[in-house]
Amino acid sequence: AQSVTQLGSHVSVSEGALVLLRCNYSSSVPPYLFWYVQYPNQGLQLLLKYTSAATLVKGINGFEAEFKKSETSFHLTKPSAHMSDAAEYFCAVSDPNFGNEKLTFGTGTRLTIIP
Amino acid sequence: GAVVSQHPSWVICKSGTSVKIECRSLDFQATTMFWYRQFPKQSLMLMATSNEGSKATYEQGVEKDKFLINHASLTLSTLTVTSAHPEDSSFYICSAGRTFQNEQFFGPGTRLTVL
Repeated sequence: AQSVTQLGSHVSVSEGALVLLRCNYSSSVPPYLFWYVQYPNQGLQLLLKYTSAATLVKGINGFEAEFKKSETSFHLTKPSAHMSDAAEYFCAVSDPNFGNEKLTFGTGTRLTIIP
Repeated sequence: GAVVSQHPSWVICKSGTSVKIECRSLDFQATTMFWYRQFPKQSLMLMATSNEGSKATYEQGVEKDKFLINHASLTLSTLTVTSAHPEDSSFYICSAGRTFQNEQFFGPGTRLTVL
C-alpha cells in the first residue's frame, strides 16, 4: 500500500521568506507524486507533478519540488513567499496498479504567511 | 481545458432526506471519476471510484447503499446521499481522470449541511 506523510500540519513563514513544505512517501514501486493547493471552500488545484521524468519539477506560482528517491521525499519549495500563497497544501501519491489515477493524500499542511 | 464542475456548490437539507450531487467534466471525456469527502481541517478521503457504465468501487467503510454513485456517461457522475443525517455533513469533492493520463482534475466541491 502507498502512503504519504506530511510533516507539520501548520507552517508559518514571513512574506518574502523561503517556503518549505515537507512530504515523504512510501511505495513499493516507483510512484507518481503530486502537490495540490486548496483555498477555503474550494476544490484542489494541481501545483506540480512528478511522473518519472526530471527529478526537479517546476510548477505554477513559482513552486517547485524535488524527487529524492534515496530519501523517499518530495518536498515543496518556493524561494519567496507571497501573501496569496496562504492556503492548504496536499501531497499525494498515485497507485501505479490503477493506471496511475488513484491518489492517496497526505493530511495536509496549512501555510500561513506573516506580513 | 480539463474543467470539472459540481452542482450544487452548497446544499442544506433536513435529516432523512436524500441529496444528489452532480459532477461534470466540461471539456473532456472522463473514463474515471472519483468521489471524496473532506471533514473540516482534514484531508480528502476517497469514498469511491466510478467508471462509465459500470458499478462504482467503494472504499472500505463506505456504505454503498447510503452513498449511491451513478456514472451514466463519460461526462457525468452523480453522488446521492440517501437518508442523510447530520454526521453526513461534509465537503464532497469529485475529480475526473482519463486512463493513464496520470492526473485527476478536481471539481470545486459541494458543502452539504444536514440539519
